[in-house]
Amino acid sequence: GQNIDQPTEMTATEGAIVQINCTYQTSGFNGLFWYQQHAGEAPTFLSYNVLDGLEEKGRFSSFLSRSKGYSYLLLKELQMKDSASYLCAVRDLLGGGADGLTFGKGTHLIIQP
Amino acid sequence: NAGVTQTPKFQVLKTGQSMTLQCAQDMNHEYMSWYRQDPGMGLRLIHYSVGAGITDQGEVPNGYNVSRSTTEDFPLRLLSAAPSQTSVYFCASSFRQGKAFFGQGTRLTVV
Repeated sequence: GQNIDQPTEMTATEGAIVQINCTYQTSGFNGLFWYQQHAGEAPTFLSYNVLDGLEEKGRFSSFLSRSKGYSYLLLKELQMKDSASYLCAVRDLLGGGADGLTFGKGTHLIIQP
Repeated sequence: NAGVTQTPKFQVLKTGQSMTLQCAQDMNHEYMSWYRQDPGMGLRLIHYSVGAGITDQGEVPNGYNVSRSTTEDFPLRLLSAAPSQTSVYFCASSFRQGKAFFGQGTRLTVV
């Protein structure tokens, strides 16, 4: 099976930078996704990593190290609207499911003025 | 584009009642899934489908049935609702193993 760990809650200041970590254990790794979910809303896609390294998309970047089973999501120039939960999801080709995705429990990010 | 559409958005059921949560997507995605989301538990897979006529169980399938008669629709049926099924339900679709698109969710309360 899969085991995905990420912090339950983090607090950061508007304008600052925050890094949300995700560690995973899986047997058939085939990619890692980050989703953003505002309270009461659906998750929305942020980033996807399948190879080692950094993927940058505007204020958001995501990093993957497959050998360490580790990823992080980096949010720069934080805005109040970034207050949300951030979900790490690992695709495991051996884990079943239509898309093989297993989600972590999510990190609730609180942005303070 | 409508994307993934779920109905209803809110529902209250009495224990033992049955109902169907509807999910439709207009992106011609092969893969569709149903998740439930509970506080502190994250998203858990209930059932999934890799194409019309093909369904399979996920992590928490008990008490739920699904069918996939068309590419577009993937309804989730609760056969006899129980308070433990109080949750937020999300339907998702993807083109094979690309990124998943989620519906807006159904908040279900079983009393």
